[in-house]
Amino acid sequence: GAGVSQSPSNKVTEKGKDVELRCDPISGHTALYWYRQSLGQGLEFLIYFQGNSAPDKSGLPSDRFSAERTGGSVSTLTIQRTQQEDSAVYLCASSLESSGKITQYFGPGTRLTVL
Amino acid sequence: GESVGLHLPTLSVQEGDNSIINCAYSNSASDYFIWYKQESGKGPQFIIDIRSNMDKRQGQRVTVLLNKTVKHLSLQIAATQPGDSAVYFCAETNGGATNKLIFGTGTLLAVQP
Repeated sequence: GAGVSQSPSNKVTEKGKDVELRCDPISGHTALYWYRQSLGQGLEFLIYFQGNSAPDKSGLPSDRFSAERTGGSVSTLTIQRTQQEDSAVYLCASSLESSGKITQYFGPGTRLTVL
Repeated sequence: GESVGLHLPTLSVQEGDNSIINCAYSNSASDYFIWYKQESGKGPQFIIDIRSNMDKRQGQRVTVLLNKTVKHLSLQIAATQPGDSAVYFCAETNGGATNKLIFGTGTLLAVQP
């Protein structure tokens, strides 16, 4: 079946520009997560959406980062006024989160390069 | 703060041997642990998970062991194959209201033919 998809797969932008990254979770999954992975590092939690509940934004590194999830499905991560330190792979994951099924399944990621 | 760390950043094994990747965690309240495999240029791929009420769980060629006394997690891969070469991450939930995962920095498994 279809997994988590993300677009674009690669994004190169200039410092100061805004970027939008998209995530399509697995159909029926109510929970959606964004993580960031810097080169050679583990994954860093950014934000979590679950149904109609208020999102957990505790991992967002600055107010330049924001995310939305429309209709409980597709999510967009926006980075405003990008900086070079924002360069990383941005990964999206979704999980069913019912009946104790909390396994997160990841998409292929978007590699962001800020010049 | 809470963290999940790995003892060995790189593990080199011969094809056919068994591999053991270790992980330490610091949050005794964590109740769910998971291992992911990440190949170059791809997202993490689920391998196996375990809840804190268990100490062992087996999958196909993989076994996860959990020792809550010393807060230690390990992944055993039997008969390691070249296709197992990747970075392996352990992760834990933080036991909070969300199920966000806290990841270690990863172990690179290199399988020599």
